[in-house]
Amino acid sequence: GAGVSQSPRYKVAKRGQDVALRCDPISGHVSLFWYQQALGQGPEFLTYFQNEAQLDKSGLPSDRFFAERPEGSVSTLKIQRTQQEDSAVYLCASSLGTGMTGELFFGEGSRLTVL
Amino acid sequence: LAKTTQPISMDSYEGQEVNITCSHNNIATNDYITWYQQFPSQGPRFIIQGYKTKVTNEVASLFIPADRKSSTLSLPRVSLSDTAVYYCLVGDMYSGGGADGLTFGKGTHLIIQP
Repeated sequence: GAGVSQSPRYKVAKRGQDVALRCDPISGHVSLFWYQQALGQGPEFLTYFQNEAQLDKSGLPSDRFFAERPEGSVSTLKIQRTQQEDSAVYLCASSLGTGMTGELFFGEGSRLTVL
Repeated sequence: LAKTTQPISMDSYEGQEVNITCSHNNIATNDYITWYQQFPSQGPRFIIQGYKTKVTNEVASLFIPADRKSSTLSLPRVSLSDTAVYYCLVGDMYSGGGADGLTFGKGTHLIIQP
Protein backbone atom coordinates (compact mmCIF):
# COMPACT_ATOMS: atom_id res chain seq x y z
CA GLY A 1 0.00 0.00 0.00
CA ALA A 2 0.89 3.64 -0.17
CA GLY A 3 0.81 4.37 3.55
CA VAL A 4 2.94 3.56 6.57
CA SER A 5 2.51 -0.07 7.54
CA GLN A 6 3.09 -1.45 11.02
CA SER A 7 3.14 -5.02 12.26
CA PRO A 8 1.95 -6.72 14.26
CA ARG A 9 -1.20 -4.67 14.91
CA TYR A 10 -1.66 -6.41 18.24
CA LYS A 11 0.88 -8.10 20.45
CA VAL A 12 0.39 -9.74 23.83
CA ALA A 13 3.55 -10.52 25.76
CA LYS A 14 4.25 -11.97 29.14
CA ARG A 15 6.30 -9.83 31.46
CA GLY A 16 9.97 -10.41 30.77
CA GLN A 17 9.58 -11.38 27.13
CA ASP A 18 11.28 -9.52 24.31
CA VAL A 19 9.18 -8.02 21.51
CA ALA A 20 9.95 -6.57 18.10
CA LEU A 21 7.69 -4.14 16.29
CA ARG A 22 8.13 -3.42 12.61
CA CYS A 23 7.52 -0.27 10.60
CA ASP A 24 7.46 0.00 6.80
CA PRO A 25 7.54 3.72 5.96
CA ILE A 26 6.33 5.27 2.75
CA SER A 27 8.85 4.51 0.01
CA GLY A 28 11.39 7.28 -0.38
CA HIS A 29 10.67 8.93 2.94
CA VAL A 30 13.87 10.05 4.57
CA SER A 31 12.67 10.64 8.11
CA LEU A 32 11.18 8.03 10.42
CA PHE A 33 9.81 8.49 13.93
CA TRP A 34 8.63 6.21 16.71
CA TYR A 35 6.09 7.28 19.31
CA GLN A 36 4.54 5.63 22.34
CA GLN A 37 0.91 6.37 23.14
CA ALA A 38 -0.57 5.28 26.45
CA LEU A 39 -4.32 5.03 26.86
CA GLY A 40 -5.93 8.45 26.97
CA GLN A 41 -2.65 10.28 26.39
CA GLY A 42 -1.06 11.99 23.44
CA PRO A 43 1.76 10.33 21.52
CA GLU A 44 5.15 10.59 23.23
CA PHE A 45 8.24 10.91 21.06
CA LEU A 46 10.69 8.01 21.33
CA THR A 47 13.27 8.28 18.58
CA TYR A 48 14.03 9.73 15.14
CA PHE A 49 15.94 8.44 12.12
CA GLN A 50 17.19 10.31 9.11
CA ASN A 51 17.83 7.55 6.59
CA GLU A 52 19.78 4.94 8.58
CA ALA A 53 21.17 7.38 11.13
CA GLN A 54 19.47 7.57 14.50
CA LEU A 55 19.74 11.29 15.19
CA ASP A 56 17.65 11.49 18.33
CA LYS A 57 16.83 8.79 20.85
CA SER A 58 16.15 11.08 23.75
CA GLY A 59 12.62 9.76 24.22
CA LEU A 60 13.49 6.12 24.72
CA PRO A 61 12.36 5.44 28.30
CA SER A 62 15.09 2.97 29.24
CA ASP A 63 17.93 0.92 27.86
CA ARG A 64 15.44 -1.89 27.32
CA PHE A 65 14.22 0.01 24.28
CA PHE A 66 16.22 -0.18 21.08
CA ALA A 67 15.42 0.97 17.54
CA GLU A 68 17.19 0.45 14.25
CA ARG A 69 16.79 1.27 10.59
CA PRO A 70 19.81 -0.43 9.04
CA GLU A 71 19.11 0.24 5.37
CA GLY A 72 17.28 3.50 5.72
CA SER A 73 13.85 2.07 5.03
CA VAL A 74 12.21 -0.51 7.32
CA SER A 75 12.63 0.11 11.03
CA THR A 76 12.29 -2.15 14.06
CA LEU A 77 11.57 -1.12 17.62
CA LYS A 78 12.71 -3.75 20.09
CA ILE A 79 11.71 -3.89 23.71
CA GLN A 80 13.64 -6.26 25.93
CA ARG A 81 12.35 -7.79 29.15
CA THR A 82 8.95 -6.17 28.77
CA GLN A 83 7.25 -4.68 31.81
CA GLN A 84 3.59 -3.90 32.37
CA GLU A 85 4.25 -0.18 32.03
CA ASP A 86 5.37 -0.83 28.46
CA SER A 87 1.75 -1.57 27.51
CA ALA A 88 0.81 1.08 24.96
CA VAL A 89 0.28 1.72 21.27
CA TYR A 90 3.54 2.19 19.41
CA LEU A 91 3.18 4.51 16.44
CA CYS A 92 5.54 4.89 13.54
CA ALA A 93 5.56 7.93 11.26
CA SER A 94 7.55 8.94 8.22
CA SER A 95 8.08 12.14 6.31
CA LEU A 96 9.53 12.93 2.93
CA GLY A 97 12.07 15.51 3.96
CA THR A 98 14.22 16.39 6.91
CA GLY A 99 12.78 19.76 7.84
CA MET A 100 10.04 20.64 10.25
CA THR A 101 7.76 21.82 7.47
CA GLY A 102 5.59 19.23 5.87
CA GLU A 103 3.59 16.46 7.40
CA LEU A 104 4.22 13.27 9.25
CA PHE A 105 2.39 10.22 7.91
CA PHE A 106 1.46 7.81 10.68
CA GLY A 107 0.76 4.12 10.65
CA GLU A 108 -2.15 2.63 12.59
CA GLY A 109 0.15 1.53 15.36
CA SER A 110 1.07 -1.68 17.16
CA ARG A 111 -0.85 -2.24 20.37
CA LEU A 112 1.32 -3.97 22.95
CA THR A 113 -0.21 -5.54 26.02
CA VAL A 114 2.15 -6.90 28.66
CA LEU A 115 0.59 -9.32 31.12
CA LEU B 1 6.85 23.76 31.58
CA ALA B 2 4.46 22.63 28.86
CA LYS B 3 5.33 23.97 25.45
CA THR B 4 1.69 24.19 24.30
CA THR B 5 -1.59 24.55 26.15
CA GLN B 6 -4.95 23.53 24.71
CA PRO B 7 -8.39 23.00 26.21
CA ILE B 8 -8.87 19.41 27.28
CA SER B 9 -12.27 19.12 25.63
CA MET B 10 -14.83 21.04 23.58
CA ASP B 11 -18.40 20.38 22.47
CA SER B 12 -20.21 21.70 19.44
CA TYR B 13 -23.02 20.84 17.04
CA GLU B 14 -23.19 19.77 13.43
CA GLY B 15 -22.99 22.66 11.00
CA GLN B 16 -21.25 25.01 13.42
CA GLU B 17 -17.80 26.52 13.06
CA VAL B 18 -15.39 25.29 15.72
CA ASN B 19 -12.32 27.19 16.84
CA ILE B 20 -9.65 25.51 18.97
CA THR B 21 -6.99 27.77 20.42
CA CYS B 22 -3.50 26.70 21.38
CA SER B 23 -1.20 28.81 23.55
CA HIS B 24 2.53 28.68 22.93
CA ASN B 25 4.08 31.58 24.82
CA ASN B 26 7.64 30.37 24.37
CA ILE B 27 7.52 29.91 20.61
CA ALA B 28 10.90 30.47 18.97
CA THR B 29 11.71 32.30 15.78
CA ASN B 30 12.21 29.14 13.74
CA ASP B 31 9.20 27.29 15.12
CA TYR B 32 6.29 26.22 12.96
CA ILE B 33 2.79 25.46 14.23
CA THR B 34 1.24 22.19 13.13
CA TRP B 35 -2.13 20.61 13.91
CA TYR B 36 -3.00 16.92 13.80
CA GLN B 37 -6.28 15.02 14.16
CA GLN B 38 -6.55 11.58 15.71
CA PHE B 39 -9.46 9.14 15.67
CA PRO B 40 -9.61 6.15 18.04
CA SER B 41 -7.39 3.24 17.01
CA GLN B 42 -5.71 5.29 14.30
CA GLY B 43 -2.50 7.25 14.02
CA PRO B 44 -2.65 11.05 13.97
CA ARG B 45 -3.38 12.71 10.65
CA PHE B 46 -1.91 16.05 9.51
CA ILE B 47 -4.44 18.86 9.20
CA ILE B 48 -2.56 22.09 8.61
CA GLN B 49 0.70 23.91 9.25
CA GLY B 50 1.63 27.57 9.38
CA TYR B 51 4.24 30.07 10.46
CA LYS B 52 2.37 33.38 10.61
CA THR B 53 -0.88 35.14 9.66
CA LYS B 54 -3.41 32.81 8.07
CA VAL B 55 -3.24 29.50 6.27
CA THR B 56 -6.22 27.80 4.66
CA ASN B 57 -6.65 24.43 3.03
CA GLU B 58 -9.60 22.31 2.02
CA VAL B 59 -10.40 21.18 5.56
CA ALA B 60 -9.36 23.96 7.95
CA SER B 61 -7.92 27.39 8.53
CA LEU B 62 -5.11 28.33 10.88
CA PHE B 63 -4.97 31.81 12.34
CA ILE B 64 -1.72 33.03 13.88
CA PRO B 65 -1.50 36.54 15.40
CA ALA B 66 1.50 38.74 14.92
CA ASP B 67 3.14 37.80 18.23
CA ARG B 68 2.71 34.08 17.38
CA LYS B 69 2.10 33.24 21.04
CA SER B 70 -1.10 31.47 20.18
CA SER B 71 -2.84 29.95 17.20
CA THR B 72 -6.41 29.00 16.38
CA LEU B 73 -7.52 26.04 14.33
CA SER B 74 -10.84 26.76 12.66
CA LEU B 75 -13.04 23.94 11.38
CA PRO B 76 -15.93 25.23 9.24
CA ARG B 77 -19.32 23.53 9.37
CA VAL B 78 -18.33 20.51 11.44
CA SER B 79 -20.01 17.14 11.14
CA LEU B 80 -20.26 14.14 13.47
CA SER B 81 -17.17 12.68 11.80
CA ASP B 82 -15.07 15.56 13.08
CA THR B 83 -15.32 14.11 16.59
CA ALA B 84 -11.68 13.39 17.38
CA VAL B 85 -8.67 14.55 19.37
CA TYR B 86 -6.84 17.56 17.95
CA TYR B 87 -3.18 18.22 18.74
CA CYS B 88 -1.20 21.42 18.40
CA LEU B 89 2.56 21.04 17.91
CA VAL B 90 5.12 23.80 17.95
CA GLY B 91 8.75 23.53 17.07
CA ASP B 92 11.59 23.18 14.66
CA MET B 93 13.46 20.03 15.47
CA TYR B 94 16.16 20.54 12.93
CA SER B 95 17.65 23.67 14.40
CA GLY B 96 19.14 21.97 17.40
CA GLY B 97 15.92 22.04 19.33
CA GLY B 98 15.78 18.31 19.76
CA ALA B 99 12.43 16.64 19.52
CA ASP B 100 10.43 19.49 21.06
CA GLY B 101 8.73 20.14 17.78
CA LEU B 102 7.37 16.63 17.83
CA THR B 103 5.73 16.83 21.25
CA PHE B 104 2.00 16.18 21.02
CA GLY B 105 0.74 16.97 24.49
CA LYS B 106 -2.71 15.80 25.59
CA GLY B 107 -4.68 17.42 22.80
CA THR B 108 -8.26 18.68 22.68
CA HIS B 109 -11.05 16.14 22.60
CA LEU B 110 -13.70 17.63 20.29
CA ILE B 111 -17.17 16.15 20.50
CA ILE B 112 -19.71 17.03 17.82
CA GLN B 113 -23.35 16.41 18.59
CA PRO B 114 -26.29 16.16 16.17
